[in-house]
Amino acid sequence: DSGVTQTPKHLITATGQRVTLRCSPRSGDLSVYWYQQSLDQGLQFLIHYYNGEERAKGNILERFSAQQFPDLHSELNLSSLELGDSALYFCASSARTGADEQYFGPGTRLTVT
Amino acid sequence: AQSVTQLDSQVPVFEEAPVELRCNYSSSVSVYLFWYVQYPNQGLQLLLKYLSGSTLVKGINGFEAEFNKSQTSFHLRKPSVHISDTAEYFCAVRSGGYQKVTFGTGTKLQVIP
Repeated sequence: DSGVTQTPKHLITATGQRVTLRCSPRSGDLSVYWYQQSLDQGLQFLIHYYNGEERAKGNILERFSAQQFPDLHSELNLSSLELGDSALYFCASSARTGADEQYFGPGTRLTVT
Repeated sequence: AQSVTQLDSQVPVFEEAPVELRCNYSSSVSVYLFWYVQYPNQGLQLLLKYLSGSTLVKGINGFEAEFNKSQTSFHLRKPSVHISDTAEYFCAVRSGGYQKVTFGTGTKLQVIP
């Protein structure tokens, strides 16, 4: 158990809908990272927040947005969903940034039908 | 810019045989290097990391990796694999000054009894 929690575990929704994925980092960790893992794209970095502020953006679509709240939990919002958005979404946390080990949550499996 | 190449998408190996999973990186500055393991239906877990110092890094579960700056490689090795090592292994790099970690496409290690 990494100490990172993600909810929900599974999510099935229809195209065009909007969903919110939630992540609670390990106690004391200030950094939260979001990743998308799919069969064709592999593990893709989406976005990184540190203590409430966005620090880096990766291959995140404009239809996706994220935020980190004062209690350090983070939410990833996915809107206007397409079939191709079906994937595993992982959240990871680390104490600070960069060289620190990232602890991964169990993931949320999103299926868009 | 930084990138990671994992040359083998799948590596089958017999139980108790040695294994090497290859990773090459590209970066114009100093790097931090990581190997993560993903067991089926789980998130990623750190195996080992290289930040500085000794180029031979030992990790969990008997794995080790060697940082070779001249060949820009960070290959993962284990002298004798076990069935429980069957998993997908990801190499990752973070360059000095960059906030994001770039992951390779993964290598699936299949240990054959």
